Amino acid sequence: RKEVEQDPGPFNVPEGATVAFNCTYSNSASQSFFWYRQDCRKEPKLLMSVYSSGNEDGRFTAQLNRASQYISLLIRDSKLSDSATYLCVVNRGGSQGNLIFGKGTKLSVKP
Amino acid sequence: DAGVIQSPRHEVTEMGQEVTLRCKPISGHNSLFWYRQTMMRGLELLIYFNNNVPIDDSGMPEDRFSAKMPNASFSTLKIQPSEPRDSAVYFCASSQGLSSGNTIYFGEGSWLTVV
Repeated sequence: RKEVEQDPGPFNVPEGATVAFNCTYSNSASQSFFWYRQDCRKEPKLLMSVYSSGNEDGRFTAQLNRASQYISLLIRDSKLSDSATYLCVVNRGGSQGNLIFGKGTKLSVKP
Repeated sequence: DAGVIQSPRHEVTEMGQEVTLRCKPISGHNSLFWYRQTMMRGLELLIYFNNNVPIDDSGMPEDRFSAKMPNASFSTLKIQPSEPRDSAVYFCASSQGLSSGNTIYFGEGSWLTVV
């Protein structure tokens, strides 16, 4: 089983739609969690951290379920500019050298 | 502020040639990471340094790969000899430290094609 698993997509949605991505991780000792965004032929960039209580940043909401080892990202009111690949990232230890990246979920928002 | 700077951005080389990728981390960042990204395997950590010292190189695929960080503002990743299966995007990244609270910032990547 891969350490971090994501549905590769693509998710094709119209502008204004709400879309949700899920991610599962296998190491129950994982300590911190993130979503990164990667545009086509660009570098990954941190989108948001994921906290146990859930957190929101504008149209983006991230949630963590430690019992099920499951992370989610919800995007409301999708914009064309949200089109990208979203990488689920898990830190299995206390060091940034322990980041494990999922292979990403591709989102395409259409007019 | 300048981000992580990598060179070359694109390289096409013949099998057997030596490839050297270069990275300048963000000024003041103490930790530097080399990642490789392919469609098949996604983003994988090759090696990382803290205060110019290699901490973990267990991700380096084989002895053909080597990395150095002679000072706080420069690192190289070398492949010798290169093989077609080394074709990938190589990202350098840096952070202020290794604590999980620090954000990792990636460079734009070096796109390597070995023919």
